[in-house]
Amino acid sequence: GDSVTQMEGPVTLSEEAFLTINCTYTATGYPSLFWYVQYPGEGLQLLLKATKADDKGSNKGFEATYRKETTSFHLEKGSVQVSDSAVYFCALRRGGTSYGKLTFGQGTILTVHP
Amino acid sequence: DADVTQTPRNRITKTGKRIMLECSQTKGHDRMYWYRQDPGLGLRLIYYSFDVKDINKGEISDGYSVSRQAQAKFSLSLESAIPNQTALYFCATSDLSSTNTGELFFGEGSRLTVL
Repeated sequence: GDSVTQMEGPVTLSEEAFLTINCTYTATGYPSLFWYVQYPGEGLQLLLKATKADDKGSNKGFEATYRKETTSFHLEKGSVQVSDSAVYFCALRRGGTSYGKLTFGQGTILTVHP
Repeated sequence: DADVTQTPRNRITKTGKRIMLECSQTKGHDRMYWYRQDPGLGLRLIYYSFDVKDINKGEISDGYSVSRQAQAKFSLSLESAIPNQTALYFCATSDLSSTNTGELFFGEGSRLTVL
């Protein structure tokens, strides 16, 4: 079945550091890939997405590129801020799915210190 | 006010008790979902509904039931709670447009502890 694997957390960084959170997936066909973010006390919200190979999703300074050859969708940000502290989830949706069933990774906790 | 509202936000109960988690939305979406979040496991789909007359099981529906009372309301019930149902539960919504892009809109979560 479909699965998403994220790097183990928690990740602790100083402000302005470079961030990478690794995500790899297993799925048949051509899934769409997503990063969701969960800020403290809130529900998940979509951060960025990519729907086909070599697409780059970007939002709020975060980027991720859909790499079909390595089945990866790593999240990066060049300079993190304290306000980026949150839990980050990588997810996929199988192509052709007619409803919103997403397969999520286990989540990575990011803490950014001033 | 939040577009997707879950009640209660926190609940502690005992084994064998019946529990209902409620979700209401003001987004006008026709599709609603219940997910469960466990540490180290991410989110897993319990049930989903395309409209009031359409209810479908997700990957972990055993021990749960749902009711879609109206387009805006979707409740999750645990008929006889057990400790391994201790988790954070999320309601989510989408419409056809957002479903096609893969975007779900989540509530703030309901933390359930079963003793």
